[in-house]
Amino acid sequence: DAKTTQPPSMDCAEGRAANLPCNHSTISGNEYVYWYRQIHSQGPQYIIHGLKNNETNEMASLIITEDRKSSTLILPHATLRDTAVYYCIDSPSETSGSRLTFGEGTQLTVNP
Amino acid sequence: GAGVSQSPSNKVTEKGKDVELRCDPISGHTALYWYRQSLGQGLEFLIYFQGNSAPDKSGLPSDRFSAERTGGSVSTLTIQRTQQEDSAVYLCASSAQGLAGDEQFFGPGTRLTVL
Repeated sequence: DAKTTQPPSMDCAEGRAANLPCNHSTISGNEYVYWYRQIHSQGPQYIIHGLKNNETNEMASLIITEDRKSSTLILPHATLRDTAVYYCIDSPSETSGSRLTFGEGTQLTVNP
Repeated sequence: GAGVSQSPSNKVTEKGKDVELRCDPISGHTALYWYRQSLGQGLEFLIYFQGNSAPDKSGLPSDRFSAERTGGSVSTLTIQRTQQEDSAVYLCASSAQGLAGDEQFFGPGTRLTVL
């Protein structure tokens, strides 16, 4: 499975945009970029995913570079409830059931 | 509708005992996954079910671990002769078809403590 690298921690002021970077140096052409987050003591929660194009949903935006070697998750107006560990994952092909390989993630702390 | 549920939420057992952890996936989801999260190890994949079969068991750490799924729905993860290093949060997830673009929905987990 491809490995991603993320900064271990980031801080953001409440109401400001949080931009979380991820490097996908070994991503292959058929692998999606997924973002999940895990709020303390809860199971991981899906945020967004993409293949080549930028994506936006009600939670966040995902910007993927043209070479697909990096991506950025954008939370446009961070709230205190967005404090969580954010995981960037390259999903493997369907032959392995698209299991998720979690790295260390980024601990995002949103400050009042 | 109901999400993924797991039971029990907490389990404390003595070393050497067997434990069973249960997962109820979202109705209609054919793919089911077990992961575990322990201190110092992060979140790691254990096993994947497509229907009642398990095409990927590569994450099971030893032969003390087994899992089954019946009726394409409920799954049970069994740990025999538990060891202290088995202490972790065991998470179950399901997805509609197990395809590359499918979202995985996670349950709240079962916290296992082996004394």
